[in-house]
Amino acid sequence: AQKVTQAQTEISVVEKEDVTLDCVYETRDTTYYLFWYKQPPSGELVFLIRRNSFDEQNEISGRYSWNFQKSTSSFNFTITASQVVDSAVYFCALTESYNTDKLIFGTGTRLQVFP
Amino acid sequence: DSGVTQTPKHLITATGQRVTLRCSPRSGDLSVYWYQQSLDQGLQFLIQYYNGEERAKGNILERFSAQQFPDLHSELNLSSLELGDSALYFCASSPSQRLAGNEQFFGPGTRLTVL
Repeated sequence: AQKVTQAQTEISVVEKEDVTLDCVYETRDTTYYLFWYKQPPSGELVFLIRRNSFDEQNEISGRYSWNFQKSTSSFNFTITASQVVDSAVYFCALTESYNTDKLIFGTGTRLQVFP
Repeated sequence: DSGVTQTPKHLITATGQRVTLRCSPRSGDLSVYWYQQSLDQGLQFLIQYYNGEERAKGNILERFSAQQFPDLHSELNLSSLELGDSALYFCASSPSQRLAGNEQFFGPGTRLTVL
């Protein structure tokens, strides 16, 4: 069955440190989609990135970067030079199957960035 | 601001009651999704509608029902409420341009408290 594991429950860093949030997934499909969402203290879920299983290129967006490795079933998220505004819960998610939008979410990683 | 609106923001009610949560998707989005976020279950997919038709169903209780109207707004009806239904209910929308794995943009959520 599809599963997303975010083993890090909580991470604390000091501003300007780099931090990597781990995501490991399980799926029986060869076609699937992976996502990262951010949930700041205000509560809403903010879309960060979508990646399909055929695109293993790493992606960088400003201070954010994502490392997708099919060989290890991982889709890790790195924040470079973290800022206090990055404090949030980050969720990794996987589509339930190749032909659906239904998302299976991990349990989330709470990131606290201290000044 | 994702462009998805949800009302009400907070709802406090008693066990056994029935409530209706409302969602307006982003302009042009045809799909609406409902998710439940609780401390013990995490983020769980409930149901998806596409252009008025039910497209996918998750772990939605029989006491819960949803619909999408011709103007594309959606309502989630929760009846015979129990203490365990207390949660944050999210609506998300997507243009659904792809068959699967579409990005979903989440509303601010409705926090339901059942006393």
